[in-house]
Amino acid sequence: GAGVSQSPSNKVTEKGKDVELRCDPISGHTALYWYRQRLGQGLEFLIYFQGNSAPDKSGLPSDRFSAERTGESVSTLTIQRTQQEDSAVYLCASSFSRQGTSNQPQHFGDGTRLSIL
Amino acid sequence: KQEVTQIPAALSVPEGENLVLNCSFTDSAIYNLQWFRQDPGKGLTSLLLIQSSQREQTSGRLNASLDKSSGRSTLYIAASQPGDSATYLCAVTLMNTGFQKLVFGTGTRLLVSP
Repeated sequence: GAGVSQSPSNKVTEKGKDVELRCDPISGHTALYWYRQRLGQGLEFLIYFQGNSAPDKSGLPSDRFSAERTGESVSTLTIQRTQQEDSAVYLCASSFSRQGTSNQPQHFGDGTRLSIL
Repeated sequence: KQEVTQIPAALSVPEGENLVLNCSFTDSAIYNLQWFRQDPGKGLTSLLLIQSSQREQTSGRLNASLDKSSGRSTLYIAASQPGDSATYLCAVTLMNTGFQKLVFGTGTRLLVSP
């Protein structure tokens, strides 16, 4: 497809389990972003990948959260030992951006709705 | 720390009305400001992007203004339609971060009744 694809669309898991969320960016997009959207709150930036550069992890809320991306392809966001406060919609976005520029729009996927019981 | 606030949190109007959504931000050192639309269960769609040097942008029935010095932006929707029903988010791009780091408001939920 032409857009950003995220899977799964919904995930329900028990507290304490690990979860892995996947994002397929638009082909050719060098920049990839992960955001979290908790109920009643704005989107929170989590992590940014640009090509093969070291990611900006400044938004990750705890060391239970990690993300990987190989080159300019698929990214996975992993949450270990999930807590109830991790329940949220996790959105991925990609853009055709070079380091130091901020002018290209971000294209968002439909998100993964994560529910921790 | 940059904070973005949107007022009102929710708005319900009859079809055909013109309406204004408000966005304010605490730090005027922004690179640009964007308005997004989010439909239930979906991602965000970019509507308008205003560079910090610009005062407004228009797209069809939508007009967004930016007053950077006062930390305010408005989104004007003319002749509203039921299909405009969605959550509208504004976001500012921080300067000097090396990438497009967006700070979002909590959104305005708009319902346009036929």
